[in-house]
Amino acid sequence: RKEVEQDPGPFNVPEGATVAFNCTYSNSASQSFFWYRQDCRKEPKLLMSVYSSGNEDGRFTAQLNRASQYISLLIRDSKLSDSATYLCVVLGGKLIFGQGTELSVKP
Amino acid sequence: GAVVSQHPSWVICKSGTSVKIECRSLDFQATTMFWYRQFPKQSLMLMATSNEGSKATYEQGVEKDKFLINHASLTLSTLTVTSAHPEDSSFYICSASPQGGRQPQHFGDGTRLSIL
Repeated sequence: RKEVEQDPGPFNVPEGATVAFNCTYSNSASQSFFWYRQDCRKEPKLLMSVYSSGNEDGRFTAQLNRASQYISLLIRDSKLSDSATYLCVVLGGKLIFGQGTELSVKP
Repeated sequence: GAVVSQHPSWVICKSGTSVKIECRSLDFQATTMFWYRQFPKQSLMLMATSNEGSKATYEQGVEKDKFLINHASLTLSTLTVTSAHPEDSSFYICSASPQGGRQPQHFGDGTRLSIL
């Protein structure tokens, strides 16, 4: 079993759609959780941290369920510029990256 | 903010060549830097942790004699892929943070290595 697993992609959605990404992790001792965004052939960039209480940053909402070892990212009113690969990342001694879910937002 | 620079961004070499990739922290000192590798459609995989002034710590399955890491100063770590072969073709990325191993890590632009 992979340490961090994400929804298989790609997700193809129209502009303005709401899209949700899911992620599960296997190590219950994991300490911190993040969503990164990676554009094609570029380095990953931190999108947001994920807290147990849930957190929101504009159109982006992240949630963490430690009991289920589950993380989610919700993007509302998606824009063309949201097209990218979204990486679920878990920190437990080292950063462990999921394989990413590709999002393509179409006009 | 913290900036990490990586060089070169793209390398195309013949099989058997050794390739050196540099990772620099431009506006902070980094006692620890991380080297990752990413194959197409796959996740970033940590290869090794580079420690200033001491030996790097390699992840299981990563050959230390194949991937030489040198962290001789607080702002520079280098990864040398020795005698590179086509299977070493990948996207190599480094990261560093002013807080060592803590988040947020700042990533270099990555180096795309293609071995013919």
